[in-house]
Amino acid sequence: DIQMTQSPSSLSASIGDRVTITCQASQDISNYLNWYQQKPGKAPKLLIYDASNLETGVPSRFSGSGSGTDFTFTISSLQPEDIATYYCQQFDHLETWTFGQGTKVEVK
Amino acid sequence: QLQLQESGPGLVKPPETLSLTCTVSGGSISTHSHYWVWIRQPPGKGLEWIGNIYYDGGTNYNPSLKSRVTISVHTSENQFSLKLRSVTAADTAVYYCARQLGGGLLPWGQGTLVTVSS
Repeated sequence: DIQMTQSPSSLSASIGDRVTITCQASQDISNYLNWYQQKPGKAPKLLIYDASNLETGVPSRFSGSGSGTDFTFTISSLQPEDIATYYCQQFDHLETWTFGQGTKVEVK
Repeated sequence: QLQLQESGPGLVKPPETLSLTCTVSGGSISTHSHYWVWIRQPPGKGLEWIGNIYYDGGTNYNPSLKSRVTISVHTSENQFSLKLRSVTAADTAVYYCARQLGGGLLPWGQGTLVTVSS
């Protein structure tokens, strides 16, 4: 099974800061990686698909990059509404999907 | 606009079977290239993929749950369902259904909390 290691598990940043989250796959998954945002009590929301493509309607301050085993998710300027938990998810092996452990983003 | 809605009992006794249904509206469940997915999230924890099903009935399951899980599709009712057998307290979670479009999950249902307790 492919394992996803996401870090950090939590971070504290100020409004306007640049925020970076990483996700590492245990084997090559090409660009088969998505990023989701989850706010408390809500279902996750797809932000980035295929590692670097912004889902329709998602603000451009969100971005993703990477391929193979190493991936990065960035919020260029943290906004109050971005306070949430973020998850990466691989789908290279369509028979078995895996989520990262999540990163909780809080305001400093 | 496609919408998904989970339904089913909020309380299940161990070691009974957890049964949930996801109703799809605003589109057909029999659409080519779409898979239909179940995911769960224990309170305060991360997301766990349970499995998915294609409209023709083909399924894939999380190996850690495979022996206890059955996902079925009911095309005439535009629904798909989840059965998880022999539940324990560890199966207490919010259960989500979602559509798999390409590799991404979009949209999701709102989720339903299922508590396993005697």
